[in-house]
Amino acid sequence: KAGVTQTPRYLIKTRGQQVTLSCSPISGHRSVSWYQQTPGQGLQFLFEYFSETQRNKGNFPGRFSGRQFSNSRSEMNVSTLELGDSALYLCASSLNLGAQETQYFGPGTRLLVL
Amino acid sequence: AQSVTQLDSQVPVFEEAPVELRCNYSSSVSVYLFWYVQYPNQGLQLLLKYLSGSTLVESINGFEAEFNKSQTSFHLRKPSVHISDTAEYFCAVSHQGGSEKLVFGKGTKLTVNP
Repeated sequence: KAGVTQTPRYLIKTRGQQVTLSCSPISGHRSVSWYQQTPGQGLQFLFEYFSETQRNKGNFPGRFSGRQFSNSRSEMNVSTLELGDSALYLCASSLNLGAQETQYFGPGTRLLVL
Repeated sequence: AQSVTQLDSQVPVFEEAPVELRCNYSSSVSVYLFWYVQYPNQGLQLLLKYLSGSTLVESINGFEAEFNKSQTSFHLRKPSVHISDTAEYFCAVSHQGGSEKLVFGKGTKLTVNP
């Protein structure tokens, strides 16, 4: 079974632009979560989606948004990019919703904002 | 709210030596506990998790962790490390009865030297 895939793997943008990142979960997985990883703040939770509904949201500004499609694929969007948005964005999928579920992570999208 | 503290940011050891990576958590509710490993330029992989039952959990590659409720700890151990264990290790918790949101520690970089 193929793992979680994320596209693109690398991205360079300039301040003020917007970006859309894509995540395809493991086949059959219905839950998708997003995390931001930076050297300073570590791994921080962004959002969680299940059945096309956002179930939980982390403490990030409204510039960060996401959605999930009927095939469980998910996208996240960051508008009006700031230098501090430079990070590795990780997507994780799990079979069902629940705190005990194992989350399987993709390789991430590395975003550099200049 | 939950928080996770990984007491050592870097742990250098020699090959075949034992290692312990420390993790303490703080939470007002019951939690599930996880250890993830991240190799360079890759996403996170689940190493092991504690949901309930025996407080000692093991992974397939020789790591083990013990849940200690009184000390709110979940330290990771391996009796004999290999060069290939060089990676960053993250301890994480999720809130029982809550969403899948993982709260991560800052990570411990394990370097195994020959």
